[in-house]
Amino acid sequence: ETGVTQTPRHLVMGMTNKKSLKCEQHLGHNAMYWYKQSAKKPLELMFVYSLEERVENNSVPSRFSPECPNSSHLFLHLHTLQPEDSALYLCASSQGLRSRSEKLFFGSGTQLSVL
Amino acid sequence: GNSVTQMEGPVTLSEEAFLTINCTYTATGYPSLFWYVQYPGEGLQLLLKATKADDKGSNKGFEATYRKETTSFHLEKGSVQVSDSAVYFCALSRADSNYQLIWGAGTKLIIKP
Repeated sequence: ETGVTQTPRHLVMGMTNKKSLKCEQHLGHNAMYWYKQSAKKPLELMFVYSLEERVENNSVPSRFSPECPNSSHLFLHLHTLQPEDSALYLCASSQGLRSRSEKLFFGSGTQLSVL
Repeated sequence: GNSVTQMEGPVTLSEEAFLTINCTYTATGYPSLFWYVQYPGEGLQLLLKATKADDKGSNKGFEATYRKETTSFHLEKGSVQVSDSAVYFCALSRADSNYQLIWGAGTKLIIKP
C-alpha cells in the first residue's frame, strides 16, 4: 500500500451531479489536507483537519464539503460544481501540525473535469 | 506579505547538464523553505528543505541553500538525468501558521537523452 491513496484517479461530472473524492492514509498521521492544483498556478490549500477536527477552511465555496470521519480517511463531497472547478485535487497528510517544517505526503490526486 | 517566485518553464536540458531552477521569496519572520517534486501522474514529494539561514538542503544529488541576504533558495544539480524530468515547486512556511505553505507556480523540467 502506498502512503496516501486517492480514488478515483479521474472523474468527469456534470454541473448538477453529486460525487465524492476519497483519500486514505496508511502512515499513522494526525493531519490531513485537501489542495487544488490548477495548471500554471500555485497550489491552493482548501481544508486542513487535525485529529478529525477542521482547523482551516480557506474561503472555499460551499459546493465543496469536506468530511473526516477518522484520522485515516478524508472525503471531499462535490455538488453543483462549475467548469472552473476542473482541476487536480490532491490529498496530503502530515504527522501533525506541531511545526512549520512538517513534511507533507501527497496522494496522486483526482483529475476532475466538470462539464 | 508572503510570496514565492519561480522561474517560468519549461526548462529543457540535455542529460548530464548542470541544472539551476531559481526561487526567490518574500516573507515576514523566518520561514522554512522547501522544494517539492511532482513526477508525471504522481503527487508531490518533498525533495529537500532548509529551516534557517545558510542551511543547505540536499537529496538525490539536488542541493539548495537558504540565502537570507538575497531571499533565495535556488535548486541545483550537477548532472541531470532523464529521470529528473518533473515539475519542481518551491514553497515557504508562513511564520504565523504551522500548516500554511506559500507555493510557487512550479517549473517544468524536461531532460532529453
